[in-house]
Amino acid sequence: RKEVEQDPGPFNVPEGATVAFNCTYSNSASQSFFWYRQDCRKEPKLLMSVYSSGNEDGRFTAQLNRASQYISLLIRDSKLSDSATYLCAVNESMGAQKLVFGQGTRLTINP
Amino acid sequence: EAGVTQFPSHSVIEKGQTVTLRCDPISGHDNLYWYRRVMGKEIKFLLHFVKESKQDESGMPNNRFLAERTGGTYSTLKVQPAELEDSGVYFCASSLDGGRQYFGPGTRLTVT
Repeated sequence: RKEVEQDPGPFNVPEGATVAFNCTYSNSASQSFFWYRQDCRKEPKLLMSVYSSGNEDGRFTAQLNRASQYISLLIRDSKLSDSATYLCAVNESMGAQKLVFGQGTRLTINP
Repeated sequence: EAGVTQFPSHSVIEKGQTVTLRCDPISGHDNLYWYRRVMGKEIKFLLHFVKESKQDESGMPNNRFLAERTGGTYSTLKVQPAELEDSGVYFCASSLDGGRQYFGPGTRLTVT
């Protein structure tokens, strides 16, 4: 079983739609959680950190469910510019800083 | 502020040759990380420097890979001798205090 697993995608949705991604992690001791966005042939860029209480940044909402060991990302009112690959990443233990990434989910927003 | 830079952006070498990748972190960032993404797989951690010291090298695949960070500034990752399975995109990242990691644009390595 992979340490971090994501919806395989790809997701193709119309502009303005709401889209949700889920990501599960296997290590219950995981400490920190992140969503990254990666455009084609570019580097991953941090989109949001994910906190236990859930957090929102404009059209983006991230949630963490420790009991079920998953994190989610919700994008509301999707824009053409949201088209990208979304990667979830987990920092597995206190003090260790390596990020464990999921394989990523490709999202395409259609006009 | 300049971001993380990597050189070269692309490298094509033959199996058995040597390649050295370079990463310049954001100025003042003590933490430097190397990651790799091979075709069809997820991005995987290779190692982590704090200044010039290797903090965690648990992700290094084998002894054909050598990472250095002399002086605690830029880092190099040498692959010698390169094998076909080493092809992929090598990302470097840096962070100030172990928090948010800023990624460089990556080096696309093709071993033929």
